[in-house]
Amino acid sequence: ILNVEQSPQSLHVQEGDSTNFTCSFPSSNFYALHWYRWETAKSPEALFVMTLNGDEKKKGRISATLNTKEGYSYLYIKGSQPEDSATYLCAPLTPSYIPTFGRGTSLIVHP
Amino acid sequence: DTAVSQTPKYLVTQMGNDKSIKCEQNLGHDTMYWYKQDSKKFLKIMFSYNNKELIINETVPNRFSPKSPDKAHLNLHINSLELGDSAVYFCASSQGISGTSEQYFGPGTRLTVT
Repeated sequence: ILNVEQSPQSLHVQEGDSTNFTCSFPSSNFYALHWYRWETAKSPEALFVMTLNGDEKKKGRISATLNTKEGYSYLYIKGSQPEDSATYLCAPLTPSYIPTFGRGTSLIVHP
Repeated sequence: DTAVSQTPKYLVTQMGNDKSIKCEQNLGHDTMYWYKQDSKKFLKIMFSYNNKELIINETVPNRFSPKSPDKAHLNLHINSLELGDSAVYFCASSQGISGTSEQYFGPGTRLTVT
């Protein structure tokens, strides 16, 4: 089990703002990292799987970067929309494939 | 056409009872997982199975017994239910065991033990 920190815990932005949040994890014992989007009353939805230092992934207005040497990943949302409101979870995995989920960043986008 | 389904969605039962939660995926994946969302809303992995073989068992009490009759199903049986077992349980599936494939989650089963 890894010590995973996500910040900020919650974030309120206006529609059209760009935003980003952080996932920190121990740089040793790292194998891969998953990002999920979790809307209220639904189940987590996979966004990205990242494995290599320097990885950058993009899906529409959402992108993520990974720094395995210093133990962090950033998730960026460009031009936030109200439908982006959700909790964003990161889950780094150990080499034995065991994921540890962070507490998540709760994003609320105001119209 | 649901990818990962769980039944039941809600389960209310008394302490000491034995209950099962079923999970099925139609994605052709060979790895399935059970997660528990605890009272503090953290998601924690309980088990994972690959092709019906146990891969991960994260120090879960042995009152919890996963059973995988085939690679499309992973059921969770819980004996002698305790108050602390109340939680939302999520099933998930992915292709391969290496953790480098996306996981697809079911809708969750809210278990309440009274």
